[in-house]
Amino acid sequence: GAVVSQHPSRVICKSGTSVKIECRSLDFQATTMFWYRQFPKKSLMLMATSNEGSKATYEQGVEKDKFLINHASLTLSTLTVTSAHPEDSSFYICSARALAGGEPSSYNEQFFGPGTRLTVL
Amino acid sequence: GDSVTQMEGPVTLSEEAFLTINCTYTATGYPSLFWYVQYPGEGLQLLLKATKADDKGSNKGFEATYRKETTSFHLEKGSVQVSDSAVYFCLTDSWGKLQFGAGTQVVVTP
Repeated sequence: GAVVSQHPSRVICKSGTSVKIECRSLDFQATTMFWYRQFPKKSLMLMATSNEGSKATYEQGVEKDKFLINHASLTLSTLTVTSAHPEDSSFYICSARALAGGEPSSYNEQFFGPGTRLTVL
Repeated sequence: GDSVTQMEGPVTLSEEAFLTINCTYTATGYPSLFWYVQYPGEGLQLLLKATKADDKGSNKGFEATYRKETTSFHLEKGSVQVSDSAVYFCLTDSWGKLQFGAGTQVVVTP
């Protein structure tokens, strides 16, 4: 099956610093990648949708200047948490959507990365 | 808008017990339905899916049937193992937009 990786898996940083998280589709091209945030014992919250070569679309309530998303290639999207604060500590998960092999389909499956645990001190 | 409701956890079971996690949804049109599993410290993994009414998804002994008439997609396993301890998420996918249920933690004891 399709594999999505994230790097780093864990990061601890000081308040006020910026952290970059990478999301890569390893064996397929992903025209669209998604970034989610998961709070403890809660479901995933979609933060933004990024399409290769264009600006990300942010969900309501998500600060675009705080969470910078870049989707520079068909296999890589990055999320940068700028000027991180303790309340940004969370589990960040990306997913990538692969086109269904050229077949006409209204459905394109999303494949999830393993997540990145961010802790801001 | 679309929404997914699944039973609250934690659900605690003994090994070899029968597991059911209820999931109902509201959606415009006919979404694809999924169950994902998240093991401790890991990301989400697709467990099974169904893309149209009456389809049955199955994997690793788990099953769920797409019931359009009751807008449900209940997850079942006849005999759970300790290794099934995880959080299970019910999802709908309407034209590429995922809607997550809140997740149900399952704890299986020896």
